[in-house]
Amino acid sequence: SQQGEEDPQALSIQEGENATMNCSYKTSINNLQWYRQNSGRGLVHLILIRSNEREKHSGRLRVTLDTSKKSSSLLITASRAADTASYFCATDENYGQNFVFGPGTRLSVLP
Amino acid sequence: DAGVIQSPRHEVTEMGQEVTLRCKPISGHDYLFWYRQTMMRGLELLIYFNNNVPIDDSGMPEDRFSAKMPNASFSTLKIQPSEPRDSAVYFCASSRGRSQHFGDGTRLSIL
Repeated sequence: SQQGEEDPQALSIQEGENATMNCSYKTSINNLQWYRQNSGRGLVHLILIRSNEREKHSGRLRVTLDTSKKSSSLLITASRAADTASYFCATDENYGQNFVFGPGTRLSVLP
Repeated sequence: DAGVIQSPRHEVTEMGQEVTLRCKPISGHDYLFWYRQTMMRGLELLIYFNNNVPIDDSGMPEDRFSAKMPNASFSTLKIQPSEPRDSAVYFCASSRGRSQHFGDGTRLSIL
């Protein structure tokens, strides 16, 4: 079953603009993670946010978590063509050890 | 440090043949995960190991799939006999904490 559901499914923006992707989930969690996947490559871990955190930053990435709404957002500021990739959220469904991945958002950053 | 290494990168074979996918996790990681990624179903967890012991294989689609981890530095995923619907990209990932490190996958095509 899908735990995390990203929204939108696809997003196309111009270089320099900000990109926002959202993730909704169903069960209680300890942690939520965001990953990036470039075409033909494996997923790369971007950032982890714990259930007792509301916001976290890493470089041009900003992640928020609202456990009352069971949702998270990933903001990429000042996007670059190299940010073109699919982005996935992953949650530890019901505090489990394994993480369940959503279907992803395909981001295209146009030069 | 070398990342997760998967082999082969590409495999094309005829239905009915045995397929063996290989994975070398990052040294020191105690969790190993096998995933399958398709356009229709996204990223699905097949099985994961902790300290070489299978913990959850509920995602293994059927008895044709088997996975082993004979030691901390090697794991295999075997499909016997293979079917066209097994065509997908298979990823191996390892972790020590909560973030997973993915290999670049094996693209499997069953004709």
